[in-house]
Amino acid sequence: LAKTTQPISMDSYEGQEVNITCSHNNIATNDYITWYQQFPSQGPRFIIQGYKTKVTNEVASLFIPADRKSSTLSLPRVSLSDTAVYYCLVGWNAGNNRKLIWGLGTSLAVNP
Amino acid sequence: DTAVSQTPKYLVTQMGNDKSIKCEQNLGHDTMYWYKQDSKKFLKIMFSYNNKELIINETVPNRFSPKSPDKAHLNLHINSLDLGDSAVYFCASSPSGGDLYEQYFGPGTRLTVT
Repeated sequence: LAKTTQPISMDSYEGQEVNITCSHNNIATNDYITWYQQFPSQGPRFIIQGYKTKVTNEVASLFIPADRKSSTLSLPRVSLSDTAVYYCLVGWNAGNNRKLIWGLGTSLAVNP
Repeated sequence: DTAVSQTPKYLVTQMGNDKSIKCEQNLGHDTMYWYKQDSKKFLKIMFSYNNKELIINETVPNRFSPKSPDKAHLNLHINSLDLGDSAVYFCASSPSGGDLYEQYFGPGTRLTVT
C-alpha cells in the first residue's frame, strides 16, 4: 500500500517560492497525486493534481519525476495568506473504487 | 450558497452518549465521505458512499454507523461515545465515474467528549 511522507513543517517569507516535496515510493500505476490546502478551522481544499511530468494552474505547480516516487508542490511568491497545512494524497477516485492515501501534512508558516 | 454543509459545527457531550452529525451537499455529486482529523491533524478516511452504496469502510469501531438516505446526504451516528472519539469530523463529496476527481470538504464538526 502506497505511503506518503512529507516534511512536518516549513518556514518561508513573503515573496519567496516554496517547494514542498512528498515521497511516495510505492506508488501504483493507477495512482494520481493530489495536493490539498487546509486553513485552521476549515476543511481541506483542492490545489492541484497530476499523474506525471508537470502540471500548472493559477495557484501552484506540481512537478512529478519520471519514476513518480515523489512529487513537489511549488507555490510561487507566497504571501501571509498561504500559511496553512498542505497535504499530499496518492490514489484514485473513480466509480465504485477508490484508494486514498493521505500524508500527514506539512505546516507552512509564511513570515513577513 | 454552501456546497457541503455539516451540522452541528460544535458538539460537546459526555462519555457513553449517542450523537449524530449530519452532512448535505448540493453539488450533485455521487460520492460522499466521512473523515476524522485528530489533534495532530492526521486525516483518516472512515467511510465512503457512492450512490447511497457503502464502498469504503475502514477500520472503524462499529459504534460508528453511516447512513445515506439519498445521494445528497450522509449522516454519521456514533453510539457510546468515548474520550478517544474527540476530533474534528469532516464530510466531503466528489463526482464519480471516469477519472480522478477532487473532493469538496465541509467545514467540519468539532466533537468533544468529556
